Amino acid sequence: IAGITQAPTSQILAAGRRMTLRCTQDMRHNAMYWYRQDLGLGLRLIHYSNTAGTTGKGEVPDGYSVSRANTDDFPLTLASAVPSQTSVYFCASSKTSGNYNEQFFGPGTRLTVL
Amino acid sequence: GQNIDQPTEMTATEGAIVQINCTYQTSGFNGLFWYQQHAGEAPTFLSYNVLDGLEEKGRFSSFLSRSKGYSYLLLKELQMKDSASYLCAAVDSNYQLIWGAGTKLIIKP
Repeated sequence: IAGITQAPTSQILAAGRRMTLRCTQDMRHNAMYWYRQDLGLGLRLIHYSNTAGTTGKGEVPDGYSVSRANTDDFPLTLASAVPSQTSVYFCASSKTSGNYNEQFFGPGTRLTVL
Repeated sequence: GQNIDQPTEMTATEGAIVQINCTYQTSGFNGLFWYQQHAGEAPTFLSYNVLDGLEEKGRFSSFLSRSKGYSYLLLKELQMKDSASYLCAAVDSNYQLIWGAGTKLIIKP
């Protein structure tokens, strides 16, 4: 693979179910991010990781958790999905978390919670 | 609070020039990105400005005025494939990107 992959591409989920969105990058980037994108709103940061073993909360972290056990993988978990979590989720990575941190995006996961 | 403003939608004609404006208010400032996003796809990088002035890259140019909290993206010789959303994002004092809602650009023949 080259770049960032996300799985699944799309998912319909019943409210209350647990769901993990997967994200893998092969660029050896230190920093990784999870965003959600909703119509009429900008990308909103859910969680981020500046380097393997560390994570931080973004603008809208409630209801989501992440882990960063290694450089390549950054899964996002919804412990108990609610309809307001219906959105398109993008994973992104950048070489560093500092200046000029151009972010590269995965293809996205379209999640519908009913 | 932190805020990015850009027009919701713009229409332009194939072959013409269009300027998409972006104003920002952030806690600290460490640069400004422009990304392009075609419908149903991921955002892709277009440009980055951290100093005042114009950066030119082929048909696309990006301008920054730090004192005015203002940037624009200039697209020349518009092609139908330029129909997309253009996202402005400012880098705050924590090096996080604060994103605008995007400007949907419609190109007409």
